[in-house]
Amino acid sequence: GDSVTQMEGPVTLSEEAFLTINCTYTATGYPSLFWYVQYPGEGLQLLLKATKADDKGSNKGFEATYRKETTSFHLEKGSVQVSDSAVYFCALRRDKSGANNLFFGTGTRLTVIP
Amino acid sequence: NAGVTQTPKFQVLKTGQSMTLQCAQDMNHEYMSWYRQDPGMGLRLIHYSVGAGITDQGEVPNGYNVSRSTTEDFPLRLLSAAPSQTSVYFCASRSTGAGAYEQYFGPGTRLTVT
Repeated sequence: GDSVTQMEGPVTLSEEAFLTINCTYTATGYPSLFWYVQYPGEGLQLLLKATKADDKGSNKGFEATYRKETTSFHLEKGSVQVSDSAVYFCALRRDKSGANNLFFGTGTRLTVIP
Repeated sequence: NAGVTQTPKFQVLKTGQSMTLQCAQDMNHEYMSWYRQDPGMGLRLIHYSVGAGITDQGEVPNGYNVSRSTTEDFPLRLLSAAPSQTSVYFCASRSTGAGAYEQYFGPGTRLTVT
């Protein structure tokens, strides 16, 4: 079945450090891929998405590229800020007729220290 | 525009008690879903609905019931609470229109079963 494997956390970085959070997926066909972010005490928010191979999603300085050959969708940011401290979830949705449910990875907690 | 709202925010139940978690959205979304979030397990889909009168099971439906009598509301019922149902519960909704990718999450309900 469909699944998402995400880099184990937690991750602690100093402000302005480079961030990579790895995500790989297993799915039949060509799923859409997402990164969601959960700030403390809140629900999840969509951070970025990519709907086909080689697409690059970007938002708030974060980027991720849909790599079909390596079934990956790694999240990157060149210079993290304290305000980026949150839990990050990789997710996929297999676009087919029907419900198109989201499948989530286990989440990676990022803490950025000043 | 309130988005997705959930009540209550916190709840403590004794084993065997029943209760209903409320979820409502004001975006006229056809699709609604319930997830539970547990440490190290990410979000797992409990039940979902693609429209009023239509519901289906997700990955972990046992011990939970849902109904969808209106587009706006999607309550989750725990019939006989068990300690294994201690978790944070999130409701989400999205449009099912072409190109509609973003899923909107409520703020969550933290449930403890003793």
